Amino acid sequence: GESVGLHLPTLSVQEGDNSIINCAYSNSASDYFIWYKQESGKGPQFIIDIRSNMDKRQGQRVTVLLNKTVKHLSLQIAATQPGDSAVYFCAEASSGGSNYKLTFGKGTLLTVNP
Amino acid sequence: SAVISQKPSRDICQRGTSLTIQCQVDSQVTMMFWYRQQPGQSLTLIATANQGSEATYESGFVIDKFPISRPNLTFSTLTVSNMSPEDSSIYLCSAEGTVTYEQYFGPGTRLTVT
Repeated sequence: GESVGLHLPTLSVQEGDNSIINCAYSNSASDYFIWYKQESGKGPQFIIDIRSNMDKRQGQRVTVLLNKTVKHLSLQIAATQPGDSAVYFCAEASSGGSNYKLTFGKGTLLTVNP
Repeated sequence: SAVISQKPSRDICQRGTSLTIQCQVDSQVTMMFWYRQQPGQSLTLIATANQGSEATYESGFVIDKFPISRPNLTFSTLTVSNMSPEDSSIYLCSAEGTVTYEQYFGPGTRLTVT
């Protein structure tokens, strides 16, 4: 069952620094991995994704790295800004027949100090 | 990306009552999903709602407790039945994006059961 209480890892960085958020996933058969950003009081917002046959993908100020050997995913945010403060979730997508299902990781709370 | 709205945005309900949450998508989508997110925690998939068929529930969630309707390609409802304080949570709906594993989320419904 689900546990109760705050269990989010936290990361605090200075504005302008680079941030690295890590995630361990569980299903070696997952096809896609996605990073979501969730600001307080809002639903998760898609940031970037990566397919399982890739090890790196870059977006605007963000880079996702995938290490399938150790089932590890990371999100790098360059020149972190106060607007980047949020909870970041990784999610793995695995095919469940006719559709994909997302399994979310625990999340990391990123705080950017001005 | 799809724009998703939910109603109500929040509610405070008495134990033993039921609440129906509405989710509206601005475009037609085949797959919609309902999640629960307890404060400070990750998202847990409740069920997948396909238009024209019964919802598919995840382990630990049953139709009698969380009945779902999907009357057309832009709308779904989730009912939380016979509520107890343990049902206090944020309930999020999502819809598939143009890529099969992508999901776009609504803002969530914050439910408090007293």
